[in-house]
Amino acid sequence: QKEVEQNSGPLSVPEGAIASLNCTYSDRVSQSFFWYRQYSGKSPELIMSIYSNGDKEDGRFTAQLNKASQYVSLLIRDSQPSDSATYLCAVNAGGYQKVTFGTGTKLQVIP
Amino acid sequence: DAGVIQSPRHEVTEMGQEVTLRCKPISGHDYLFWYRQTMMRGLELLIYFNNNVPIDDSGMPEDRFSAKMPNASFSTLKIQPSEPRDSAVYFCASSTTPGQGIYEQYFGPGTRLTVT
Repeated sequence: QKEVEQNSGPLSVPEGAIASLNCTYSDRVSQSFFWYRQYSGKSPELIMSIYSNGDKEDGRFTAQLNKASQYVSLLIRDSQPSDSATYLCAVNAGGYQKVTFGTGTKLQVIP
Repeated sequence: DAGVIQSPRHEVTEMGQEVTLRCKPISGHDYLFWYRQTMMRGLELLIYFNNNVPIDDSGMPEDRFSAKMPNASFSTLKIQPSEPRDSAVYFCASSTTPGQGIYEQYFGPGTRLTVT
């Protein structure tokens, strides 16, 4: 079983819709969770971090964490074509700097 | 503030040659990470340092790979001898120990390595 699992996609949504990206993780002691956005040919860019159960909002982005279900998600409201990228989920086991990355979900926002 | 700086941005070399990748972390960051990204394996952690000391090198694929951090502002990843299967994008990232315990890593632009 992979430590961090994501659907590779592509996930296609129309412009203006809500894009929902999901991630599950296997290590129950995981404490911090991150979403990175990676455009083709570019480096991963941190867009959200969360460590408490519930929702965390930042502009059009909302991260949702459910530790009991070992599930973290990213919602992108009012999706724009510029949001088209691969979104990487990353998980930190707590107490350590090491994070484990998922393989990413490719998002396509259709104009 | 400058982000993580990596050089070169692109490297093309022949099998058997030595390759050295360079990284300058964000000033004040005390953790430095080297990752490799390929289509097949995704983003893999190779090694990371804390205060210039290697903490975990379990991801280094074999003895052909070595990494050093002689001071807080510079690190190298060396491959000797290089092989075609080493072709990948190599990222350096840095982070600092935050008060609230969330370790956010910031990535450099990467070095695209091609070994022919």
